Amino acid sequence: NAGVMQNPRHLVRRRGQEARLRCSPMKGHSHVYWYRQLPEEGLKFMVYLQKENIIDESGMPKERFSAEFPKEGPSILRIQQVVRGDSAAYFCASSQGRHEAFFGQGTRLTVV
Amino acid sequence: GDSVTQMEGPVTLSEEAFLTINCTYTATGYPSLFWYVQYPGEGLQLLLKATKADDKGSNKGFEATYRKETTSFHLEKGSVQVSDSAVYFCALSANNAGNMLTFGGGTRLMVKP
Repeated sequence: NAGVMQNPRHLVRRRGQEARLRCSPMKGHSHVYWYRQLPEEGLKFMVYLQKENIIDESGMPKERFSAEFPKEGPSILRIQQVVRGDSAAYFCASSQGRHEAFFGQGTRLTVV
Repeated sequence: GDSVTQMEGPVTLSEEAFLTINCTYTATGYPSLFWYVQYPGEGLQLLLKATKADDKGSNKGFEATYRKETTSFHLEKGSVQVSDSAVYFCALSANNAGNMLTFGGGTRLMVKP
């Protein structure tokens, strides 16, 4: 049973471009969580999704950021018009209901 | 809102030394408490957890006790190894919040042979 798969592992974008981060949850998991880790800081919750629904997006910046978890395929975190301050590690976690969440290895986004 | 505060690192120890990493929290209600470990270049792994007051979580020689009276969840290990070198994160999940976690800032542990 493969773990939570995130890709790409590393992503470099120029300012103003779009970044798309993908997360495939563990088999059987229908809950996905996205977190952001700024350099030398802890993880901050961004958004919680179930299949086709956003459950809680209280940690998402109001502009440029969006997330989806379609019926088929991975969850996508999209950042439009990236700025240097978006450079961070983005982690996805998945769970089966309220059971323990398992984390992916993260996508390290660098904006140049 | 909820918050988690843990001691700043890095913490540098010699092999077989005793480890304590302090963690305190602020939350309404009765949160669940967690310690996660992050090895270099990897994601977070759940190390241990406790879901109610006075519970002790333990795994791989690490222990932490949920102390409601002091709102603390300090991580301890009696004898660290070089392979324990990593970043340790304390976290809480508010009541009924499922897996929406609030993390502390992380503490880097370096163990020297």
